Formats: sequence, structure tokens, C-alpha cells
Amino acid sequence: TQLLEQSPQFLSIQEGENLTVYCNSSSVFSSLQWYRQEPGEGPVLLVTVVTGGEVKKLKRLTFQFGDARKDSSLHITAAQPGDTGLYLCAGVTRSNDYKLSFGAGTTVTVRA
Amino acid sequence: KAGVTQTPRYLIKTRGQQVTLSCSPISGHRSVSWYQQTPGQGLQFLFEYFSETQRNKGNFPGRFSGRQFSNSRSEMNVSTLELGDSALYLCASSLPDFYGYTFGSGTRLTVV
Repeated sequence: TQLLEQSPQFLSIQEGENLTVYCNSSSVFSSLQWYRQEPGEGPVLLVTVVTGGEVKKLKRLTFQFGDARKDSSLHITAAQPGDTGLYLCAGVTRSNDYKLSFGAGTTVTVRA
Repeated sequence: KAGVTQTPRYLIKTRGQQVTLSCSPISGHRSVSWYQQTPGQGLQFLFEYFSETQRNKGNFPGRFSGRQFSNSRSEMNVSTLELGDSALYLCASSLPDFYGYTFGSGTRLTVV
């Protein structure tokens, strides 16, 4: 059983559309991170959120951390083909500070 | 600055053999974590080292081991390789705050 549940597992959209990826857990996280991974490469950190209710924006990407610090979402506005990739959420719990646990990931495909 | 360097990038081994993978973290990063990534299981935590001490270990058999040197470089070893050990092995380094991990490109291990 994954500590972090991501949904949906796959997402295929047309260029210009919006999309949202969700990351949920029953555990409380001291920090939650989002990564994007391309085939054959390691994940690349997009953002870290640490405060409940926090919203961070990175160009067309908006990240939210739930008030209870148990869930997060990633919203992409006007998706582009360059946004294609595997999106992973990962969190560190207070009881296990030395371990970053990952969700299963959401594969996003943006068609031109 | 230089990123996380993993060597080798690709490796083919035979069942029963052993293998050693290497990871050089970003300069100044003293925490090094290892992950196994497979299509079925996603990113699974192997272990984390800080100042040459293993602080956390995932649920992997004793065939998987690691160590960290005084210069923060890390190695992981897998003995008596099995077909199921075929995976992308990722190393990540971070500052002590755990607010963001930098991953290497990984070592693709194929066991035949």
C-alpha cells in the first residue's frame, strides 16, 4: 500500500487544455514535494510545500498543500507538449524524517 | 554547479552475480538516498545515509546494502542478483532540511 495515492494514473489532453493531478494520504507530512520525470532520467524537483494551505505558482503550474497537510494538487494551465512526463508527489512525515515516500505517479501526455 | 553523478549509466549482469553502483552527491550535500524504480512498483526507498551513517532503511532483503564515505560519496551493492532486481536505481542528495532532493540520472541494471 502506497503512503501517497495519486490520481489519475494516466492523463491525455490536447494542447491548451488545463489539467489537475491529485495526491492524497491519511498521514500528515512535514513537507511535500512534486517532481517531473522524463523517460530514462531521474526525477526533477518542481516545488516543495511545507505550510498547510500553502499555494505556490511556477509559471503555468500551481501547487496547493491541503490545510491538514495530508493532500496536495498540481494544476497546469494551458498545457503544452513540453509538459509531457511522469509527475510524482513525494512526502516526508514527521515520524520518518529521513525517508522520502513517493506516490505511484501520474503519466501526463499533452498532444499537439 | 555539478549535479548528482551516478555511474555506470547502464549495466548488464547475470543472475547470481553481484554489482556495485556509485553516486557522487552535489558538493555540500551530506544526505544521500537510494531508490529502486520499476514499472510495477514505482519508486521504492532503499536507504538513506548522512555523515557515513545509515539513518533509515526500506523493506528490501539483506542482499541490498550501501555505504557512505567521508567525502559523502555513496555506493550500493546488490549481491546474488535475481531477475527481479532489474530496475532503474536512483540516487538523490539533499541538504539536511530535506526540502528538496536532487536526483542523478540513474543506473539502469538489467539482470539476465
